[in-house]
Formats: sequence, structure tokens, C-alpha cells
Amino acid sequence: DGGITQSPKYLFRKEGQNVTLSCEQNLNHDAMYWYRQDPGQGLRLIYYSQIVNDFQKGDIAEGYSVSREKKESFPLTVTSAQKNPTAFYLCASSIADRNSYEQYFGPGTRLTVT
Amino acid sequence: AQSVAQPEDQVNVAEGNPLTVKCTYSVSGNPYLFWYVQYPNRGLQFLLKYITGDNLVKGSYGFEAEFNKSQTSFHLKKPSALVSDSALYFCAVRDGSSASKIIFGSGTRLSIRP
Repeated sequence: DGGITQSPKYLFRKEGQNVTLSCEQNLNHDAMYWYRQDPGQGLRLIYYSQIVNDFQKGDIAEGYSVSREKKESFPLTVTSAQKNPTAFYLCASSIADRNSYEQYFGPGTRLTVT
Repeated sequence: AQSVAQPEDQVNVAEGNPLTVKCTYSVSGNPYLFWYVQYPNRGLQFLLKYITGDNLVKGSYGFEAEFNKSQTSFHLKKPSALVSDSALYFCAVRDGSSASKIIFGSGTRLSIRP
């Protein structure tokens, strides 16, 4: 899992509450990403950021929000508007280099909303 | 649009036998291809990538992948499987619309029996 940390590993919330997932990297990577993984499915991109103070929506951004105030940090907020928030959330980062597009992942946060 | 397909949800192999996990892709332009592995309740780990050069790419843990342009395939291989190779494997391709985005396949669960 390298130099990317996600906390907490497990998170439980009541329906209707916003919750923020932490992602920090010390790899000096420019780009950071948030994915959602559901059982039996691949990864779906929620948001990504290529530079500080800038981010773009991915394929399933509705009900989520992000910020990128520092290069090292890319927190994800799961809002009450997200209809089915229970999932495994993965953060990743990458170098913005034409020969190194691979992404490096954190250990993930499993969010359960009841 | 770029896409990647993993036609097998599950692959079962006996320990010591060779293994192949299949991946086909569709891209406009030159393909940038990746393989990742995910162990239970963990983030994804980068195994290998193809950007240019030799069609046979060597990666971590004894894995290799063969790039075949005419068949638009990038199959993951290992000459002798270990029980510890049992995991979920993802093929991925760079999204041509954004250099830093990667599109992941749906994943193949590899099960190695002793």
C-alpha cells in the first residue's frame, strides 16, 4: 500500500449523516483519485484531481464531494444525498509522467451506513 | 472510447500449473495497459504495465503479461502458480480523454488449489 494512508479502515454511520474519508500520500504525486468498489464489481471513479485546488468529476460523482487544498491530501465527503453509500472506498495517486501512468492505492476504507 | 474486458469472472488452477488471466482492450491510439492484484480487504497493488517496447512484460511476484496488438489482448501469465497467488486481478487501460485516468476491468478471481 506504499505511502498512501486512508483512515479509518472501517467506518459506520447512520443514514442521513455526512461522513468524510481521509486520504494522505507522501509520494509527492501530483494526481489523486477516489474509487468506489462494490462486491463483484470493478472500480468506479468518483473524483480525481491532477493539481492542487482543482478536481474533476468521475463517473459516479453524485452524492460525493472532495477538496484538494494540499498536494498530500484529498479527502472525500460522502453526503446524505448519496443513495447507496455502503461500499469499499479506495484512494490512489499517480505521477503526472507520460511513462508512468500507473496508480498506487491506499488500503481502503469500508463504509457501512445503516 | 477506451474499454477493457476480462471475460472470466473466475479462474481455477492447481498449484504448480501455469496460469493465464485474460484481458482484451479497445483503444484509439497507442494502448497503455496495466495489471493490478487485490487481496481481501486491501487496496490494489500494481503488478506490471505495457507502454511500448517488448511484447512480453515482466512484473512483480513472477508474473508476466503478453501484449498482442493484432488480437488486442494483454493476458497475465505465470509459469507456476502458488496458493498465495489466489486473489482478485484487474486489467486496466489508460483513458485517452485524460492522461491521468485509468479504466479498470471488472476483475477476475484467481483461485489456486493446493
